[in-house]
Amino acid sequence: DTEVTQTPKHLVMGMTNKKSLKCEQHMGHRAMYWYKQKAKKPPELMFVYSYEKLSINESVPSRFSPECPNSSLLNLHLHALQPEDSALYLCASSQAPSQGYEQYFGPGTRLTVT
Amino acid sequence: QQQVKQSPQSLIVQKGGISIINCAYENTAFDYFPWYQQFPGKGPALLIAIRPDVSEKKEGRFTISFNKSAKQFSLHIMDSQPGDSATYFCAANHTGTASKLTFGTGTRLQVTL
Repeated sequence: DTEVTQTPKHLVMGMTNKKSLKCEQHMGHRAMYWYKQKAKKPPELMFVYSYEKLSINESVPSRFSPECPNSSLLNLHLHALQPEDSALYLCASSQAPSQGYEQYFGPGTRLTVT
Repeated sequence: QQQVKQSPQSLIVQKGGISIINCAYENTAFDYFPWYQQFPGKGPALLIAIRPDVSEKKEGRFTISFNKSAKQFSLHIMDSQPGDSATYFCAANHTGTASKLTFGTGTRLQVTL
């Protein structure tokens, strides 16, 4: 199974809402990533978890809060977002942090902030 | 120094033709160069990758050419098909550091009938 799954597929939220994005992989990968992708742009790295610990935070605003409850699951908690945060949010995983050159991406969650 | 420059921004190729996408990098610490393919509404998928000790790698209709001295690499898609229509991102990674992929800006390929 080489699949990374993400739920929900689409999410519309108001600026005062709290919501969460979920990502799951069952490949035994020990590195997991959150990316933000705007239309016609490359994915932009937000966070990296290595062995369930946060190893990279690319200066992401605190209204985005990642969580890695176990080695298969990655969440992104959202609170008080702005309309400019509307984007495709991608989760990815790699076998190990040192193998970040080979990342498997999920289909993404299309987020719209109203 | 962390940038990867990619061209062209968009490309239209007739069915059966050759699609060529070029990338250039500056950071000589990069030692792994993957290409990702992304269809609309989907996440990127690893297509093919190369290390700098190899000048060419071929997988089916997809070939990466690598020029270490020029710090350039390119993707060639032979016999391009409409199903190849997608956005292609080149990327670079330094395997000695933690996990980051540096992406190019992307090329939107359209293969016409």
